[in-house]
Amino acid sequence: SQTIHQWPATLVQPVGSPLSLECTVEGTSNPNLYWYRQAAGRGLQLLFYSVGIGQISSEVPQNLSASRPQDRQFILSSKKLLLSDSGFYLCAWIDLGTWGRNTIYFGEGSWLTVV
Amino acid sequence: DAKTTQPNSMESNEEEPVHLPCNHSTISGTDYIHWYRQLPSQGPEYVIHGLTSNVNNRMASLAIAEDRKSSTLILHRATLRDAAVYYCILRGGDYGQNFVFGPGTRLSVLP
Repeated sequence: SQTIHQWPATLVQPVGSPLSLECTVEGTSNPNLYWYRQAAGRGLQLLFYSVGIGQISSEVPQNLSASRPQDRQFILSSKKLLLSDSGFYLCAWIDLGTWGRNTIYFGEGSWLTVV
Repeated sequence: DAKTTQPNSMESNEEEPVHLPCNHSTISGTDYIHWYRQLPSQGPEYVIHGLTSNVNNRMASLAIAEDRKSSTLILHRATLRDAAVYYCILRGGDYGQNFVFGPGTRLSVLP
């Protein structure tokens, strides 16, 4: 069966420091991968998605970036964190099939606090 | 633009049925209606989806209006573990690669 993992689960970073969150998917090939962010008490905001190696689409302009170096690996990065980057980050993949029926699966989430 | 509207919050008593409404007046003929829920400190999880007919699974039931402009997620007996934010989402070709999550409905279950 397919599984999705992301890490680290929690981290506290100072303003201006770099960030790297990693996500991997097992049990599937060529998945569509996503990064979402959820600020405290808020809805989910789509940040990036990728349909293949090296293919990244950005939904929101910001100081974050994403990369997909391997088929089942998706990385979220920042060179210099801002206080506003704090939140709950979720990696996800979509089980592609008949378009309207496909389902999105989320990782465990990463809590980022920028101090 | 989530294309669905849901109440911000609802409250239910434990072991009573809960009906969570969703309006989607601009739904197209090929859009599926999906429901997800997000428990505290977790990512959203799939609950149920449907196209035209009512659907049942072990978690819930989905009742879809005849004109498909609205739907209702039904939890037959709410438990404290059902307290979560419930999202109603449309899925179809018009929405491309993205799942768009609106604010959802925050369900509180009272003991």
